[in-house]
Amino acid sequence: GQQLNQSPQSMFIQEGEDVSMNCTSSSIFNTWLWYKQDPGEGPVLLIALYKAGELTSNGRLTAQFGITRKDSFLNISASIPSDVGIYFCAGPTNAGNNRKLIWGLGTSLAVNP
Amino acid sequence: DAGITQSPRHKVTETGTPVTLRCHQTENHRYMYWYRQDPGHGLRLIHYSYGVKDTDKGEVSDGYSVSRSKTEDFLLTLESATSSQTSVYFCAISRTAGNTIYFGEGSWLTVV
Repeated sequence: GQQLNQSPQSMFIQEGEDVSMNCTSSSIFNTWLWYKQDPGEGPVLLIALYKAGELTSNGRLTAQFGITRKDSFLNISASIPSDVGIYFCAGPTNAGNNRKLIWGLGTSLAVNP
Repeated sequence: DAGITQSPRHKVTETGTPVTLRCHQTENHRYMYWYRQDPGHGLRLIHYSYGVKDTDKGEVSDGYSVSRSKTEDFLLTLESATSSQTSVYFCAISRTAGNTIYFGEGSWLTVV
Protein backbone atom coordinates (compact mmCIF):
# COMPACT_ATOMS: atom_id res chain seq x y z
CA GLY A 1 0.00 0.00 0.00
CA GLN A 2 0.96 3.65 -0.17
CA GLN A 3 3.32 4.85 2.53
CA LEU A 4 4.97 8.12 3.37
CA ASN A 5 8.49 8.20 4.75
CA GLN A 6 9.48 11.27 6.68
CA SER A 7 13.01 12.20 7.59
CA PRO A 8 14.66 12.96 9.78
CA GLN A 9 12.70 11.33 12.56
CA SER A 10 13.86 13.98 15.02
CA MET A 11 16.00 17.09 15.08
CA PHE A 12 17.60 19.10 17.85
CA ILE A 13 18.82 22.50 16.73
CA GLN A 14 19.93 25.84 18.05
CA GLU A 15 17.65 28.84 17.84
CA GLY A 16 18.30 30.77 14.65
CA GLU A 17 19.28 27.75 12.58
CA ASP A 18 17.47 26.73 9.43
CA VAL A 19 15.63 23.41 9.31
CA SER A 20 14.96 21.05 6.43
CA MET A 21 12.82 17.96 6.42
CA ASN A 22 11.30 15.84 3.71
CA CYS A 23 8.66 13.32 2.89
CA THR A 24 8.90 10.65 0.22
CA SER A 25 6.55 8.13 -1.27
CA SER A 26 6.86 5.11 -3.50
CA SER A 27 3.83 6.30 -5.46
CA ILE A 28 2.68 9.55 -6.99
CA PHE A 29 0.70 12.08 -4.99
CA ASN A 30 -1.45 14.89 -6.36
CA THR A 31 -1.52 16.83 -3.12
CA TRP A 32 0.95 17.30 -0.31
CA LEU A 33 -0.06 18.67 3.07
CA TRP A 34 2.19 19.76 5.90
CA TYR A 35 0.90 19.94 9.47
CA LYS A 36 2.42 20.94 12.76
CA GLN A 37 1.42 19.53 16.12
CA ASP A 38 2.24 21.51 19.24
CA PRO A 39 2.59 19.51 22.45
CA GLY A 40 -0.82 18.59 23.85
CA GLU A 41 -2.77 19.82 20.84
CA GLY A 42 -4.12 18.57 17.55
CA PRO A 43 -2.21 18.97 14.27
CA VAL A 44 -2.70 22.25 12.44
CA LEU A 45 -2.34 22.74 8.70
CA LEU A 46 0.74 24.75 7.71
CA ILE A 47 0.91 24.50 3.95
CA ALA A 48 -0.98 22.72 1.18
CA LEU A 49 0.62 21.96 -2.19
CA TYR A 50 -1.38 20.99 -5.28
CA LYS A 51 0.99 21.15 -8.25
CA ALA A 52 4.29 19.48 -9.05
CA GLY A 53 7.13 21.95 -8.65
CA GLU A 54 5.00 24.31 -6.58
CA LEU A 55 6.85 26.33 -3.95
CA THR A 56 4.71 27.89 -1.25
CA SER A 57 5.63 29.96 1.77
CA ASN A 58 3.90 30.67 5.04
CA GLY A 59 6.00 33.15 7.00
CA ARG A 60 9.33 31.49 7.76
CA LEU A 61 8.10 28.18 6.39
CA THR A 62 8.55 27.13 2.79
CA ALA A 63 7.32 23.89 1.30
CA GLN A 64 7.90 22.42 -2.14
CA PHE A 65 6.00 19.82 -4.14
CA GLY A 66 8.67 17.63 -5.71
CA ILE A 67 8.82 17.54 -9.50
CA THR A 68 8.54 13.74 -9.52
CA ARG A 69 5.36 14.04 -7.40
CA LYS A 70 6.84 11.45 -5.06
CA ASP A 71 8.33 13.82 -2.54
CA SER A 72 7.88 17.09 -0.72
CA PHE A 73 10.13 19.29 1.40
CA LEU A 74 9.55 21.65 4.27
CA ASN A 75 12.06 24.27 5.30
CA ILE A 76 11.97 26.53 8.33
CA SER A 77 14.25 29.53 8.34
CA ALA A 78 15.70 31.18 11.43
CA SER A 79 14.09 28.80 13.91
CA ILE A 80 12.61 30.08 17.15
CA PRO A 81 11.54 28.22 20.29
CA SER A 82 7.87 28.14 19.29
CA ASP A 83 8.80 26.04 16.26
CA VAL A 84 9.07 23.11 18.65
CA GLY A 85 6.63 20.33 17.80
CA ILE A 86 6.01 17.46 15.46
CA TYR A 87 5.75 18.11 11.74
CA PHE A 88 3.68 15.73 9.65
CA CYS A 89 3.33 15.32 5.93
CA ALA A 90 0.19 13.83 4.43
CA GLY A 91 -1.25 13.04 1.05
CA PRO A 92 -4.47 11.52 -0.28
CA THR A 93 -4.85 7.97 -1.45
CA ASN A 94 -6.10 7.55 -4.96
CA ALA A 95 -8.70 4.98 -4.04
CA GLY A 96 -12.25 5.85 -5.01
CA ASN A 97 -14.60 8.62 -3.99
CA ASN A 98 -13.83 8.35 -0.28
CA ARG A 99 -10.16 9.06 -0.49
CA LYS A 100 -8.33 9.27 2.78
CA LEU A 101 -5.10 10.86 3.86
CA ILE A 102 -1.94 8.88 4.37
CA TRP A 103 0.36 10.26 7.02
CA GLY A 104 4.07 10.21 7.62
CA LEU A 105 5.25 9.35 11.12
CA GLY A 106 6.41 12.89 11.74
CA THR A 107 9.59 14.82 12.36
CA SER A 108 10.00 15.90 15.96
CA LEU A 109 11.74 19.27 16.25
CA ALA A 110 13.41 20.58 19.40
CA VAL A 111 14.90 24.08 19.49
CA ASN A 112 17.49 25.07 22.03
CA PRO A 113 17.12 28.78 22.93
CA ASP B 1 -9.77 27.67 14.65
CA ALA B 2 -12.01 25.05 13.08
CA GLY B 3 -15.24 24.61 15.05
CA ILE B 4 -14.52 21.16 16.44
CA THR B 5 -15.20 20.17 20.01
CA GLN B 6 -14.17 16.87 21.51
CA SER B 7 -15.52 15.51 24.77
CA PRO B 8 -14.40 14.40 27.20
CA ARG B 9 -10.92 15.84 26.89
CA HIS B 10 -9.51 13.48 29.49
CA LYS B 11 -10.86 10.22 30.82
CA VAL B 12 -9.60 7.35 32.94
CA THR B 13 -11.61 4.16 32.75
CA GLU B 14 -11.33 0.57 33.79
CA THR B 15 -10.69 -2.38 31.52
CA GLY B 16 -13.93 -3.87 30.23
CA THR B 17 -16.05 -0.76 30.56
CA PRO B 18 -17.69 0.96 27.60
CA VAL B 19 -16.47 4.40 26.61
CA THR B 20 -17.91 6.92 24.17
CA LEU B 21 -16.02 9.89 22.81
CA ARG B 22 -17.95 12.66 21.15
CA CYS B 23 -16.95 14.96 18.33
CA HIS B 24 -19.09 17.97 17.53
CA GLN B 25 -18.50 20.31 14.56
CA THR B 26 -20.07 23.59 13.62
CA GLU B 27 -18.57 23.76 10.10
CA ASN B 28 -21.15 21.59 8.32
CA HIS B 29 -18.34 19.52 6.79
CA ARG B 30 -19.41 16.28 5.17
CA TYR B 31 -16.46 14.13 6.24
CA MET B 32 -15.53 13.29 9.82
CA TYR B 33 -12.72 11.10 11.09
CA TRP B 34 -11.46 9.49 14.24
CA TYR B 35 -7.72 8.97 14.61
CA ARG B 36 -5.61 7.62 17.39
CA GLN B 37 -2.06 8.76 18.01
CA ASP B 38 0.54 6.61 19.73
CA PRO B 39 4.32 7.00 20.02
CA GLY B 40 6.06 5.41 17.07
CA HIS B 41 2.84 4.97 15.10
CA GLY B 42 1.88 8.50 14.18
CA LEU B 43 -1.75 9.15 13.30
CA ARG B 44 -3.82 6.08 12.50
CA LEU B 45 -7.34 6.21 11.14
CA ILE B 46 -9.92 4.28 13.16
CA HIS B 47 -13.18 5.05 11.37
CA TYR B 48 -14.50 7.78 9.18
CA SER B 49 -17.85 9.08 7.99
CA TYR B 50 -18.78 10.43 4.60
CA GLY B 51 -22.29 11.49 5.54
CA VAL B 52 -25.06 10.98 8.03
CA LYS B 53 -25.31 7.28 8.81
CA ASP B 54 -22.51 6.57 6.30
CA THR B 55 -19.38 5.26 7.94
CA ASP B 56 -16.47 3.03 7.04
CA LYS B 57 -13.50 1.39 8.70
CA GLY B 58 -10.01 2.76 8.84
CA GLU B 59 -6.79 0.88 9.38
CA VAL B 60 -7.24 0.17 13.12
CA SER B 61 -10.98 -0.31 13.55
CA ASP B 62 -11.02 -3.49 15.66
CA GLY B 63 -12.61 -2.84 19.07
CA TYR B 64 -14.20 0.42 17.95
CA SER B 65 -17.57 1.41 16.55
CA VAL B 66 -18.90 4.74 15.38
CA SER B 67 -22.18 6.44 14.72
CA ARG B 68 -23.23 9.59 12.94
CA SER B 69 -26.88 10.43 13.34
CA LYS B 70 -26.43 14.13 12.60
CA THR B 71 -24.04 16.04 10.37
CA GLU B 72 -22.47 17.76 13.33
CA ASP B 73 -21.85 14.78 15.63
CA PHE B 74 -19.57 11.76 15.26
CA LEU B 75 -19.35 9.34 18.15
CA LEU B 76 -16.58 6.83 18.78
CA THR B 77 -17.42 3.92 21.09
CA LEU B 78 -15.13 1.43 22.72
CA GLU B 79 -17.52 -1.37 23.60
CA SER B 80 -15.18 -2.95 26.15
CA ALA B 81 -12.08 -0.89 26.74
CA THR B 82 -8.69 -2.59 26.86
CA SER B 83 -5.32 -1.27 27.99
CA SER B 84 -4.14 -1.27 24.37
CA GLN B 85 -6.73 1.41 23.67
CA THR B 86 -4.98 3.85 25.98
CA SER B 87 -4.17 6.61 23.55
CA VAL B 88 -4.86 10.12 22.39
CA TYR B 89 -7.89 10.28 20.13
CA PHE B 90 -8.35 13.02 17.56
CA CYS B 91 -11.46 13.89 15.68
CA ALA B 92 -11.04 15.59 12.31
CA ILE B 93 -13.30 17.05 9.66
CA SER B 94 -13.00 17.89 5.99
CA ARG B 95 -15.21 19.39 3.35
CA THR B 96 -14.06 16.99 0.63
CA ALA B 97 -12.49 13.55 0.65
CA GLY B 98 -8.74 13.21 0.69
CA ASN B 99 -8.13 16.89 1.10
CA THR B 100 -7.27 19.29 3.89
CA ILE B 101 -8.61 18.11 7.22
CA TYR B 102 -8.94 20.01 10.45
CA PHE B 103 -8.35 18.45 13.83
CA GLY B 104 -9.95 18.79 17.22
CA GLU B 105 -7.87 19.26 20.34
CA GLY B 106 -7.79 15.59 21.27
CA SER B 107 -9.18 13.29 23.95
CA TRP B 108 -6.74 11.59 26.28
CA LEU B 109 -8.00 8.16 27.27
CA THR B 110 -6.34 5.96 29.86
CA VAL B 111 -7.59 2.41 30.38
CA VAL B 112 -6.42 0.90 33.66
